[in-house]
Amino acid sequence: EAQVTQNPRYLITVTGKKLTVTCSQNMNHEYMSWYRQDPGLGLRQIYYSMNVEVTDKGDVPEGYKVSRKEKRNFPLILESPSPNQTSLYFCASSFWVANSPLHFGNGTRLTVT
Amino acid sequence: EDQVTQSPEALRLQEGESSSLNCSYTVSGLRGLFWYRQDPGKGPEFLFTLYSAGEEKEKERLKATLTKKESFLHITAPKPEDSATYLCAVLPPGTNAGKSTFGDGTTLTVKP
Repeated sequence: EAQVTQNPRYLITVTGKKLTVTCSQNMNHEYMSWYRQDPGLGLRQIYYSMNVEVTDKGDVPEGYKVSRKEKRNFPLILESPSPNQTSLYFCASSFWVANSPLHFGNGTRLTVT
Repeated sequence: EDQVTQSPEALRLQEGESSSLNCSYTVSGLRGLFWYRQDPGKGPEFLFTLYSAGEEKEKERLKATLTKKESFLHITAPKPEDSATYLCAVLPPGTNAGKSTFGDGTTLTVKP
């Protein structure tokens, strides 16, 4: 089944403790992206990747890192999480960014205390 | 900065009561406008892509249209299972090719 898999689904952590949210797609998609969704602010893009070893900032990249060493994986790294990073995170992929729809994972709900 | 505004924020309809959702944008040189449906606790699910003014796409009770400044999602004779949040997103042209901007969504509730 074609899918985008995020792990974990739920994560509670403390301020400053490094964490990684994994994202994997099995559709051989070139483009992958991370979003956060907050009430009243909608979906905001954090980072995206057009291909392996090619990443770029979205609208809200501060406090996040990403890497794209393999085509299928696009982990999101929070090196020193803070409470304002408490949010619902979505990973998405598409065949090609130009005119392909995004396929989303089911989200990771992160709480930073 | 690219802006995408969706209205209304929330819409409550009776089953069978048709209506429209609006997505207006300020992106110039739009490469594509996408509509997604999001159910609670899930990731958005793709509905339609529109590329140029005048284009229309249909799927069951949903019809999406596009003008130079806005898109409409028309819902004809909705059913309770159409209840969801509907999101639109735009892709800007050129050097920002990888960036996408989403609207805040319209939460639709259809009462039986």
